[in-house]
Amino acid sequence: KQEVTQIPAALSVPEGENLVLNCSFTDSAIYNLQWFRQDPGKGLTSLLLIQSSQREQTSGRLNASLDKSSGRSTLYIAASQPGDSATYLCAVQQGGSEKLVFGKGMKLTVNP
Amino acid sequence: GAVVSQHPSWVICKSGTSVKIECRSLDFQATTMFWYRQFPKQSLMLMATSNEGSKATYEQGVEKDKFLINHASLTLSTLTVTSAHPEDSSFYICSARVGAPGYTFGSGTRLTVV
Repeated sequence: KQEVTQIPAALSVPEGENLVLNCSFTDSAIYNLQWFRQDPGKGLTSLLLIQSSQREQTSGRLNASLDKSSGRSTLYIAASQPGDSATYLCAVQQGGSEKLVFGKGMKLTVNP
Repeated sequence: GAVVSQHPSWVICKSGTSVKIECRSLDFQATTMFWYRQFPKQSLMLMATSNEGSKATYEQGVEKDKFLINHASLTLSTLTVTSAHPEDSSFYICSARVGAPGYTFGSGTRLTVV
């Protein structure tokens, strides 16, 4: 059974710091991995999707990497801003399935 | 981009009553819709997968008679929580597959059963 872990559960940093968010998964037979952002009481916004054959994806100040063999992904946020404050979720899609398995998320607070 | 509209965004109901949550795909046809539930400080957990015109597929441990899913059209899927109890209080969110392999999510429904 696939399990996705995100540690730590929460992080508070001053504005401007470069951040690394971690995600690990137990079953490497994944189809893809996605990072989402969730604002309080809101839905999910997809940030980056990495196919199992890819090593990384970039969008603006965000960079996500994937090491499938070790079951790890990192989301790098450059020059963090207060507007980046949100809960960040990591989810994997298993090969042969449409089911997404989510981590519990990491609540990020960027202080001005 | 593809948008899924979910209503209501929040609802408070009395124990024993039923609540219906709707998800509509606004600018695309969603042949498959996914329903998730999120308890506080827990992961989003898939409850069921609904396919237009056929019965939903429920995940293990999810009571299909309690959580009724209807996907009668390509743009609308509904989740009805029947005879709701306080333990059903949670955040419910729908998702639709958009292209391959992306997904788009509704804005979620916060259900509180009192």
